[in-house]
Amino acid sequence: KAGVTQTPRYLIKTRGQQVTLSCSPISGHRSVSWYQQTPGQGLQFLFEYFSETQRNKGNFPGRFSGRQFSNSRSEMNVSTLELGDSALYLCASSFESGKTDTQYFGPGTRLTVL
Amino acid sequence: KNQVEQSPQSLIILEGKNCTLQCNYTVSPFSNLRWYKQDTGRGPVSLTIMTFSENTKSNGRYTATLDADTKQSSLHITASQLSDSASYICVVSGKTGGFKTIFGAGTRLFVKA
Repeated sequence: KAGVTQTPRYLIKTRGQQVTLSCSPISGHRSVSWYQQTPGQGLQFLFEYFSETQRNKGNFPGRFSGRQFSNSRSEMNVSTLELGDSALYLCASSFESGKTDTQYFGPGTRLTVL
Repeated sequence: KNQVEQSPQSLIILEGKNCTLQCNYTVSPFSNLRWYKQDTGRGPVSLTIMTFSENTKSNGRYTATLDADTKQSSLHITASQLSDSASYICVVSGKTGGFKTIFGAGTRLFVKA
């Protein structure tokens, strides 16, 4: 079974631009969660989607948004990029909602904002 | 404030030795606690998940314990191997004003030959 895949793996943008990241979960998994990881803040929860609905949301500004498609693939969008948005963005999938089910992480997308 | 604190921040041990990593949390009410292993440049990999009623769970050489009364968890690694060198992250989920997932800062483990 293929694991969680994320595209692109690396991305360089400039301040003010917007970016869209993609995550394909493990086949059959319906929950996709997004996380931001920085050296200073560690891993922080962005949001979780389950069956195309946002189920939980972390404490991030409205510039961060996401969506999930009927095939469970998910995209995350960041508008008006700031230098502080430079981070590793990880997505994780699970069969049920991520509360008690094992989450499987993708390799991440490394975003650099210049 | 919901917090997850891990100690030590980093740890160096010799191959073959055992070690124990600590996680203290204040997330309440508590739903579940997970331990992840993250190799450099890779996404985290789940090691264990424990709910309120579980106080120990093993995954090979990794054994996690949970004391929900004192809000403490530990991850014990037995007979360490070079491949155990990684960051170990404690993650606690709870339901306060909506479901919350709080990540610890991680413990960086270095296993030396």
